[in-house]
Amino acid sequence: GNSVTQMEGPVTLSEEAFLTINCTYTATGYPSLFWYVQYPGEGLQLLLKATKADDKGSNKGFEATYRKETTSFHLEKGSVQVSDSAVYFCALFGGGSYIPTFGRGTSLIVHP
Amino acid sequence: DAGVIQSPRHEVTEMGQEVTLRCKPISGHNSLFWYRQTMMRGLELLIYFNNNVPIDDSGMPEDRFSAKMPNASFSTLKIQPSEPRDSAVYFCASSPRDREGYEQYFGPGTRLTVT
Repeated sequence: GNSVTQMEGPVTLSEEAFLTINCTYTATGYPSLFWYVQYPGEGLQLLLKATKADDKGSNKGFEATYRKETTSFHLEKGSVQVSDSAVYFCALFGGGSYIPTFGRGTSLIVHP
Repeated sequence: DAGVIQSPRHEVTEMGQEVTLRCKPISGHNSLFWYRQTMMRGLELLIYFNNNVPIDDSGMPEDRFSAKMPNASFSTLKIQPSEPRDSAVYFCASSPRDREGYEQYFGPGTRLTVT
């Protein structure tokens, strides 16, 4: 079946540092890939997505590129802010299954 | 667009009581998902509806849990009887499944505490 593996957290950074959260996946077929963000006390919000190989999703300074050759979809941001502190989930939909697959989530803590 | 609406936002109940969680999906979305989130187990898919029909309920923990979707604009998740280990945040999500990408839109969640 499909699976998503994210790096363990928490990730702790100082403001303006560079962020990378790794995500790799296993799927049959050609899934769409997503990053969701969850702020404390809220539901998951779609951050960005990519629907085919080599697509780059971007939003709010965050970026991720769909790499089919390495089955990866790493999340990056050049300069994080305290307000980016949240839990980030990598997910895939499609790819031979109608059931969405989420990673375990990675907590990001940004200090001033 | 109001987004996915869930009620109540918080529920505190005693063990053995019946609990009903409610969800209104985004208008026009034809897929609906119920999830449970805990620190220990993370985000778990409980059940998935497509066009109001339950397609996969393999994630429903046991017979105490049941879900219905009587029409395209309303779904319920019921726990009867509730137990302390059911304490969690329950999310509803909907998806415009016929569009490319299948992204899901989550509600704000219901925080359930069973004492």
